[in-house]
Amino acid sequence: EAEVAQSPRYKITEKSQAVAFWCDPISGHATLYWYRQILGQGPELLVQFQDESVVDDSQLPKDRFSAERLKGVDSTLKIQPAELGDSAMYLCASSPDRRQETQYFGPGTRLLVL
Amino acid sequence: AQSVTQLGSHVSVSEGALVLLRCNYSSSVPPYLFWYVQYPNQGLQLLLKYTSAATLVKGINGFEAEFKKSETSFHLTKPSAHMSDAAEYFCAVSYFGNEKLTFGTGTRLTIIP
Repeated sequence: EAEVAQSPRYKITEKSQAVAFWCDPISGHATLYWYRQILGQGPELLVQFQDESVVDDSQLPKDRFSAERLKGVDSTLKIQPAELGDSAMYLCASSPDRRQETQYFGPGTRLLVL
Repeated sequence: AQSVTQLGSHVSVSEGALVLLRCNYSSSVPPYLFWYVQYPNQGLQLLLKYTSAATLVKGINGFEAEFKKSETSFHLTKPSAHMSDAAEYFCAVSYFGNEKLTFGTGTRLTIIP
């Protein structure tokens, strides 16, 4: 069964450093989402891509976060510089297209900022 | 704007007992409703979804949920709890034309042997 891949699974960094997370969606899925899940809370959408285009990044802190999906396949989420409050689980999800209501989630990257 | 409220951040049930996890939604348009399960340090797995077809939805692992428009609810149930059901459960809402998921704060289910 096809799955969403994410790496790394765990990342520890110091504040002010740069970090990057990678996501490879299920093959053929045009829509890709990045969520942030703070401990004890539900996931919150950071950015949504349709192919290589950003559809929604209204909740992305653009002063320090960036996301790209250059070829419309895999995606990278970057934080620079990292802050203590960025400690969270970062989840990637994909769906066949934006009209498909079901999203398939990867295992996530747990980030700890010291 | 759409939102979901999950009543009870922690629920404990005995093994073999009924599981009931509550979710109420708010939406100005007909909603799509979802239940996801998350095991420790893992991503979210879809349990079941309602997308305006049958109001009683059956999912994986013996779970089901009923959409009640009059009560704006979508509660998750399972007749007999198993130890493997211990996890965090999230209710989420979206709607046709805006597939962005809005999640509740989650309910941690503990199973007592």
